[in-house]
Amino acid sequence: GAGVSQSPSNKVTEKGKDVELRCDPISGHTALYWYRQSLGQGLEFLIYFQGNSAPDKSGLPSDRFSAERTGGSVSTLTIQRTQQEDSAVYLCASSPEGGRKLFFGSGTQLSVL
Amino acid sequence: QQQVKQSPQSLIVQKGGISIINCAYENTAFDYFPWYQQFPGKGPALLIAIRPDVSEKKEGRFTISFNKSAKQFSLHIMDSQPGDSATYFCAASYAGGTSYGKLTFGQGTILTVHP
Repeated sequence: GAGVSQSPSNKVTEKGKDVELRCDPISGHTALYWYRQSLGQGLEFLIYFQGNSAPDKSGLPSDRFSAERTGGSVSTLTIQRTQQEDSAVYLCASSPEGGRKLFFGSGTQLSVL
Repeated sequence: QQQVKQSPQSLIVQKGGISIINCAYENTAFDYFPWYQQFPGKGPALLIAIRPDVSEKKEGRFTISFNKSAKQFSLHIMDSQPGDSATYFCAASYAGGTSYGKLTFGQGTILTVHP
């Protein structure tokens, strides 16, 4: 693929519903990251996957947030029982090992009503 | 201690001028300092990066200046062009973390270059 692909590009949901956001990284990139971008908080690290190692979940804001990466490729970020403060752009990035250059997707704009 | 402070929040320059964006950090463990450029509706893209063992790095019209003792670094855009109009983010990370890609970002600077 040409770059990191994220879907959907926009998601509107009601407070309390669960949402799933998908990321297809660049083929061959071993590292995958999720970031959140909001007006109030800027760009925040959420979670990082590297190969078969246990993910670094240190940036997840609450236990309502989880992510998985299947087969070392596609990743899904799940937000349970969404709240209005979850409204943000969720960005996925992939990188060759080391992480010195992140390739970001265009993000999913999540709006919680 | 994990913060990266960026200024100014917004910047307007004329075509051909020099754009300067400044960042300051607190965590002395940081040892990798990239700058990302973001256009509306797109994800950030790496512009240029520096390690603290050098004081300056230049790539085309873009230069990073790094002052380790002051814990500050800056981005200079020479001969600014309207196409440079975007949001710029400084960031920092360190080898002791799980990955250089685990970045702490500044708040961003919206650059507008008038023709």
